[in-house]
Amino acid sequence: QVQLVQSGAEVKKPGASVKVSCKASGYSFTAYYFHWVRQAPGQGLEWMGWMNPSNGVTNYAEKFQGRVTMTRDTATSTAYMELGKMISDDTAVYYCARAAAGVAAAEILAYWGQGTLVTVSS
Amino acid sequence: QLVLTQAPSASASLGASVKLTCTLSSGHSDYAIAWHQQQPEKGPRYLMKLNSDGSHNKGDGIPDRFSGSSSGAERYLTISSLQSEDEADYYCQTWGTGIVAFGGGTKLTVL
Repeated sequence: QVQLVQSGAEVKKPGASVKVSCKASGYSFTAYYFHWVRQAPGQGLEWMGWMNPSNGVTNYAEKFQGRVTMTRDTATSTAYMELGKMISDDTAVYYCARAAAGVAAAEILAYWGQGTLVTVSS
Repeated sequence: QLVLTQAPSASASLGASVKLTCTLSSGHSDYAIAWHQQQPEKGPRYLMKLNSDGSHNKGDGIPDRFSGSSSGAERYLTISSLQSEDEADYYCQTWGTGIVAFGGGTKLTVL
């Protein structure tokens, strides 16, 4: 079965960067897009961008362009999201999600990781 | 601009049915959406893809109690025979050229 297992919680100081990992199993890693979504405390879901793991092509939400980098390691079936120049408003749970199977399904987030809490505090 | 609008809250009694609504912004009434459920203190769970004609494809293991329908710019999620574990936040999600958007979510309370 499809599983996405994320790295553990992080505490960072303002101005620092964080890199969250998402290890996939149960399917062909390069076959489906990865998305990253975050959720601030008590708030809704916010899409950050996607990555095509077969070739590394990315598409970032305008809000995060210049601060976010999505990469992957095909040897270990792991996707990464790095967010830089963090401020307190970046405190959130960060989720990876895999796209659904099928035609025109790249933007349907069908499988979710368990989430990684990132706290930005001085 | 691609925007999804959801009521912030809804409630229904145990064993009853409830219909949640997600409204697409003007000019986007033919867009498909996805519904996701987020139970308290858990990550989101994909429920289904819902097309503009009301056809839908559910995710792995989603019970028959969950169904979707469409009318114009509105997309609906109906949950029948409500159970206590259905108490959750429900988000609709759609996509356009280069973007993915989420609605603000509806918090469902099961009475």
